[in-house]
Amino acid sequence: AQKVTQAQTEISVVEKEDVTLDCVYETRDTTYYLFWYKQPPSGELVFLIRRNSFDEQNEISGRYSWNFQKSTSSFNFTITASQVVDSAVYFCALLNYGQNFVFGPGTRLSVLP
Amino acid sequence: GAGVSQSPRYKVAKRGQDVALRCDPISGHVSLFWYQQALGQGPEFLTYFQNEAQLDKSGLPSDRFFAERPEGSVSTLKIQRTQQEDSAVYLCASSPLGDRGTYEQYFGPGTRLTVT
Repeated sequence: AQKVTQAQTEISVVEKEDVTLDCVYETRDTTYYLFWYKQPPSGELVFLIRRNSFDEQNEISGRYSWNFQKSTSSFNFTITASQVVDSAVYFCALLNYGQNFVFGPGTRLSVLP
Repeated sequence: GAGVSQSPRYKVAKRGQDVALRCDPISGHVSLFWYQQALGQGPEFLTYFQNEAQLDKSGLPSDRFFAERPEGSVSTLKIQRTQQEDSAVYLCASSPLGDRGTYEQYFGPGTRLTVT
């Protein structure tokens, strides 16, 4: 069975703080992909990153960074120096090859000015 | 525009009415997906098309839900005899490849359906 857990339902931080969103996944497949999507109030899911199961190298993109650890089945997302525009719901998702997306329940991030 | 568009953005239906939700994917995208997102939850898969072929409808919750993509571009999700539990945001996504297992999907803004 495939499952994605995002234990943090809501997080509030003050602007310029760093924040990490946790994601833990379960799968028996060896080939799979992990994603993060952002859902602003407008409702559209915005793609942030895709990671395949064979690439554990961490990635940094501007203020965003991702830490993929197969040993703990985690794919955590860190925003450095958060900004008000980062306020949104963030979803972690698992995609096993040839199957369908399994989304986590989401983490609502509020960045206060 | 260049993105996925959906219409209407909001729909209020009385219980028992039929509704039709439209999705215009990104031009040339082979794969098209429908998801249902209940309040406070992540999207859940409903159905998948590769061009005009519906290859997976395992997520459709009942036979009141029906989707089509007759010419391999625009898709319509139809819900017959709506029930209150159908209230949700319905998201459409498209992907450029036919291989659904590897590529990111591009999502539309969704249609918020409220059944009263």
